[in-house]
Amino acid sequence: QKEVEQNSGPLSVPEGAIASLNCTYSDRGSQSFFWYRQYSGKSPELIMFIYSNGDKEDGRFTAQLNKASQYVSLLIRDSQPSDSATYLCAVAFGNEKLTFGTGTRLTIIP
Amino acid sequence: EADIYQTPRYLVIGTGKKITLECSQTMGHDKMYWYQQDPGMELHLIHYSYGVNSTEKGDLSSESTVSRIRTEHFPLTLESARPSHTSQYLCASSHERVQGSYEQYFGPGTRLTVT
Repeated sequence: QKEVEQNSGPLSVPEGAIASLNCTYSDRGSQSFFWYRQYSGKSPELIMFIYSNGDKEDGRFTAQLNKASQYVSLLIRDSQPSDSATYLCAVAFGNEKLTFGTGTRLTIIP
Repeated sequence: EADIYQTPRYLVIGTGKKITLECSQTMGHDKMYWYQQDPGMELHLIHYSYGVNSTEKGDLSSESTVSRIRTEHFPLTLESARPSHTSQYLCASSHERVQGSYEQYFGPGTRLTVT
């Protein structure tokens, strides 16, 4: 069974600090990796995707992929209270379906 | 970013009623999905479609059914609603950004309560 694992948290980070979210996956053949942000009571919103080993930066967000170690991470720099949400890691195991982790709840403390 | 619409946004209905949750997207995406999510819990894929006249059951068994007669429309039907069906239902569609990699975009969801 293909699995995606996340620390459920909650993760508390002071405002202005770096929040680091981690995700591991079970299948070395995985091709595509996504981070979604979900506010309470809302639907998931795609914020980052990464396909190649290394780092990908978009504004305050950086996704890091290490296929050899089978983990993908999301860094949020200069954390803001509006970043408080649940962050879902999703992995495509070679087809059009995504397998989602259970999510990490992030709280930014003003 | 995809434009995906779901109606109704909220529905409270009695046990035994038939309901249809609507999902439409305007981006011409071939692939569409239905997820079920309870508050604070993980997403579960219940149905997906790779195109017109294509439907498949997802990873979580569901008593609902779906149809895909038009590319833009992917409705979900419950023939007889029960309190155990109370949940949030999320529709998504995807496109191939790079070869073999599909990004999914979600609609706003329908929160269903069965009394």
